Amino acid sequence: AQTVTQSQPEMSVQEAETVTLSCTYDTSESDYYLFWYKQPPSRQMILVIRQEAYKQQNATENRFSVNFQKAAKSFSLKISDSQLGDAAMYFCAYRSTPWNQGGKLIFGQGTELSVKP
Amino acid sequence: GAVVSQHPSWVICKSGTSVKIECRSLDFQATTMFWYRQFPKQSLMLMATSNEGSKATYEQGVEKDKFLINHASLTLSTLTVTSAHPEDSSFYICSAPKERFGDQEGYTFGSGTRLTVV
Repeated sequence: AQTVTQSQPEMSVQEAETVTLSCTYDTSESDYYLFWYKQPPSRQMILVIRQEAYKQQNATENRFSVNFQKAAKSFSLKISDSQLGDAAMYFCAYRSTPWNQGGKLIFGQGTELSVKP
Repeated sequence: GAVVSQHPSWVICKSGTSVKIECRSLDFQATTMFWYRQFPKQSLMLMATSNEGSKATYEQGVEKDKFLINHASLTLSTLTVTSAHPEDSSFYICSAPKERFGDQEGYTFGSGTRLTVV
C-alpha cells in the first residue's frame, strides 16, 4: 500500500522569504501523480501544484515549485516570496494511475505553515 | 467549472439522531465521490468511495451501518451519519475526480460539513 509522509507538523517563514515543505512517499508503482493541496482556515481544499511521475521536469506554478526526486521518492514544495495569504495547512497527496486503481488520493499528515509579517 | 456543492456547512444534532450531508456536482456528472473525515489539525482520512448506481466501497475500520452512503444519481451523493454520538463530531469533506473534463489528474472538493453531536 502507498503511504505519504510529511515529517514537519509545523513550519514558519518570514514574509517575503522562501520556505520548503518536505514530503516523502512509498510506492512500488512507476506511474502516479503527486499533489500539494492547501487548506486555509476556511478548510476549503485548494490545489497548489501537481506532478506527473513520468515527467522529469519539476512542476512550477508562479511562486510555487516542487523538487521531485523519483528515485528518492521525495516531493518537496518550495514557496518563494511568502505572503501572509500562504498561511495554511499544506497536504502532500499521492494518486495511483490508471483510474482502475480507484483514483483515490492518499494524503500525508499535513504541515501547518505560519507566515510572520 | 467542476464545482461540488456541499450542504450543510455546519450542523449540530442531538446524540442518537441521524444527519444527512449532501454533495451535488453542479456543472458536471460525478460518477465517483470520495468521502473524507478530518479531525482538527489532522489529515483527511478516506472513509468510503461511492460510485453512481452501485454500493459504496468502505475503507477498513469504517462502520458501514453508521455511515450510509448513497449515490443514486450522477449529480448527488449523500452521507448519512446514523445514530450519531459525540465521537462522530468531525469535519466531513466530499471530493469528486474531474476526469470527465479530460483532466484526469484533478479533483474538486466540497466546502466541508462541520458536524457537532451534543
